[in-house]
Amino acid sequence: SQKIEQNSEALNIQEGKTATLTCNYTNYSPAYLQWYRQDPGRGPVFLLLIRENEKEKRKERLKVTFDTTLKQSLFHITASQPADSATYLCALFIYNQGGKLIFGQGTELSVKP
Amino acid sequence: DTEVTQTPKHLVMGMTNKKSLKCEQHMGHRAMYWYKQKAKKPPELMFVYSYEKLSINESVPSRFSPECPNSSLLNLHLHALQPEDSALYLCASSQGTDVSGANVLTFGAGSRLTVL
Repeated sequence: SQKIEQNSEALNIQEGKTATLTCNYTNYSPAYLQWYRQDPGRGPVFLLLIRENEKEKRKERLKVTFDTTLKQSLFHITASQPADSATYLCALFIYNQGGKLIFGQGTELSVKP
Repeated sequence: DTEVTQTPKHLVMGMTNKKSLKCEQHMGHRAMYWYKQKAKKPPELMFVYSYEKLSINESVPSRFSPECPNSSLLNLHLHALQPEDSALYLCASSQGTDVSGANVLTFGAGSRLTVL
């Protein structure tokens, strides 16, 4: 079955530094990969989508890379701020007798002032 | 309107009660989803509706019964739940579920369910 792993449950960094989160997947060749942000007690919010033919995608202070050979995506937040503190989830849309979005276990990012 | 609205925000029910969670979107999305989320865990898919038809049931116990009355509404009927069913229930929608589309999900704020 498909498996998505985010290699850190928690990541603590200092304000102004770059946060780097990792997402690895197995048993699947996705056409694209998504990243979501979730704040406590709230639903996930879509951040970025990267397609298999894209190496890198940027949106303001966010950058996502996608290496289909390594089956890995990296998610970067540059010039991090305390307001970036949240759980970040990578997700794959799986097509198998219907379509569904499945999530990695998430990385809880804490940015200290 | 770019929101998914879920009601109620909080629900407390006994194990013999029957209650329903409701979800509404007016973005013209043709796919709607129910997820269950426990503390410190990722959302776990329960059901997917595509064009008002149930397309995926992730082996969810029958005490959870989904219903899609029309393309904008999704309900989750609850009956004879167990305390371990206490969780945040999230509804989401997307334009579709087909392989040709980039299916980004828009989530509601969730319904916090406590089963006593």
